[in-house]
Amino acid sequence: AQSVTQLDSQVPVFEEAPVELRCNYSSSVSVYLFWYVQYPNQGLQLLLKYLSGSTLVESINGFEAEFNKSQTSFHLRKPSVHISDTAEYFCAVSALRSGNTPLVFGKGTRLSVIA
Amino acid sequence: GAGVSQTPSNKVTEKGKYVELRCDPISGHTALYWYRQSLGQGPEFLIYFQGTGAADDSGLPNDRFFAVRPEGSVSTLKIQRTERGDSAVYLCASSPQPGQGTNTEAFFGQGTRLTVV
Repeated sequence: AQSVTQLDSQVPVFEEAPVELRCNYSSSVSVYLFWYVQYPNQGLQLLLKYLSGSTLVESINGFEAEFNKSQTSFHLRKPSVHISDTAEYFCAVSALRSGNTPLVFGKGTRLSVIA
Repeated sequence: GAGVSQTPSNKVTEKGKYVELRCDPISGHTALYWYRQSLGQGPEFLIYFQGTGAADDSGLPNDRFFAVRPEGSVSTLKIQRTERGDSAVYLCASSPQPGQGTNTEAFFGQGTRLTVV
């Protein structure tokens, strides 16, 4: 079984400041790792994912996350946030095996960007 | 359609009533998932279909919850004898068939907000 811990339920940050949203996971098997974002009044959207290869993955809007196997972490970072980044961010894992497997989500971190 | 469609977007029902929630996945997607998101929580897995069959229903909380996908496309989540604790946003997601040894992205619908009064 897998579990995901997002250590911060809310993160307020000023516009153009850097941000880190923390995610740790627990699993008895290898996992795939994901960050999903939920903008106000919208559905969940995939932000980025780690399946294999380079441990640093990037999204098209400037976010990046690094898979750290020894620390079982997949923290999300952005060097300079915008007002439009205000949203709820969910870290998720799924068991690594052939075929689709269900996602296990953390409780989410609400990022509020302040002008 | 262009994305995963869920109907209705909102449903208010009285305690003890029966409800059906519908999910129309992206055309051609073989995998379909149901999740439940309670206030202040992340989505919680309920059931996963691969084609017509339920590949994993370990997340269904009790026997009041049931889901079907008879033709391998549209799915219906059915809740009998609803309770106030069933109030949540019910999310549906679909994924295409992955290649060997890989996983694929799950595309989510906007959800159905169920309120049991």
